[in-house]
Amino acid sequence: GQSLEQPSEVTAVEGAIVQINCTYQTSGFYGLSWYQQHDGGAPTFLSYNALDGLEETGRFSSFLSRSDSYGYLLLQELQMKDSASYFCAVRVGTGGFKTIFGAGTRLFVKA
Amino acid sequence: DSGVTQTPKHLITATGQRVTLRCSPRSGDLSVYWYQQSLDQGLQFLIQYYNGEERAKGNILERFSAQQFPDLHSELNLSSLELGDSALYFCASSERREGSDTQYFGPGTRLTVL
Repeated sequence: GQSLEQPSEVTAVEGAIVQINCTYQTSGFYGLSWYQQHDGGAPTFLSYNALDGLEETGRFSSFLSRSDSYGYLLLQELQMKDSASYFCAVRVGTGGFKTIFGAGTRLFVKA
Repeated sequence: DSGVTQTPKHLITATGQRVTLRCSPRSGDLSVYWYQQSLDQGLQFLIQYYNGEERAKGNILERFSAQQFPDLHSELNLSSLELGDSALYFCASSERREGSDTQYFGPGTRLTVL
């Protein structure tokens, strides 16, 4: 079957750096995405990695290691508004293309 | 604003009933995806349509069905509703069939089954 694991909760202080890890077990892997969701809101796309390495977009970076079935989202210079849930999601291509989401990591940013 | 619209925003109904949720994708997007998010849960992929054709299926119940129309809007039909079907239902759209690019999510429809 397909499974993703990410921590359920992370707490960090404003201005700090936090890393949210995601490990997956899938077949037909195409890529790893990260989404942010604020309470009561819709998920919004943050990044997508199809190849190994680091992708940087402003304060957010995402990393993928296909050989280790592992990725992470790195958030720098944390701000209070970054308090949200962060989902990793794998794109798999067996039996049609599907996006399978992890259960999400709730990030609390403290002053 | 993602450009994806969903109606209605809220829906309250009784067990055994049938409802239809509607989604209009972003202009130019051909793929539409449906997701279910229960309280404090992750997003469960239900189904994907590309340019009117079913492209991929997730753990969608047989009581649920969907379709994408020629104007690319999509509807998700939920029938014989049960209490456990209460959830947020999101629609997302993307440009390409493979969906390796960004998925843009609509604001969701909150379904409450009493």
